[in-house]
Amino acid sequence: KAGVTQTPRYLIKTRGQQVTLSCSPISGHRSVSWYQQTPGQGLQFLFEYFSETQRNKGNFPGRFSGRQFSNSRSEMNVSTLELGDSALYLCASSSAEVNTGELFFGEGSRLTVL
Amino acid sequence: DAKTTQPNSMESNEEEPVHLPCNHSTISGTDYIHWYRQLPSQGPEYVIHGLTSNVNNRMASLAIAEDRKSSTLILHRATLRDAAVYYCILRDPPPNSGYALNFGKGTSLLVTP
Repeated sequence: KAGVTQTPRYLIKTRGQQVTLSCSPISGHRSVSWYQQTPGQGLQFLFEYFSETQRNKGNFPGRFSGRQFSNSRSEMNVSTLELGDSALYLCASSSAEVNTGELFFGEGSRLTVL
Repeated sequence: DAKTTQPNSMESNEEEPVHLPCNHSTISGTDYIHWYRQLPSQGPEYVIHGLTSNVNNRMASLAIAEDRKSSTLILHRATLRDAAVYYCILRDPPPNSGYALNFGKGTSLLVTP
């Protein structure tokens, strides 16, 4: 079956702009989580959604937000972009019915803020 | 979540076994031990997980110490494709605790021909 799909794969923005990233989970998966990866901080958890509700949230400012739709697709938004937001943003999906906790990651969206 | 400690980097020769250690001295009784790896320019991928007993799958084996304060990921025959960053992560089982994973710095594995 198709894996986790993230769009766009690459994008360049300037400071002050906003960006929206999209994630389509594996069919049937109801949990979607987002991570930010930078060389300095590594992989950091942003937030997790399950059945359109945010269930967990990491330690990021309010400029980072997300949502999940009824078809489990998810979007994350970063407003008022800063240079430090340049990163690889990864989305992962999981099936709540399977008690393995295995996450399936997409290839990420690489954001460059100039 | 309890923390894990891994070496920053390790090196192995191709076709030899690799033992990647992980210390987790503050592990709780309900924490599962998960391993993920991230190949260059890709998202992380699940490798294996276990609770108390040793586990085997097609990718690797997981050896868990009797006191559960450490574990070892074993790649039986390293290939060049196994060069990646390997993350050892402790998690309470979902769905009660959600699906967030606390990735540390991981171990960067270099495989040489």
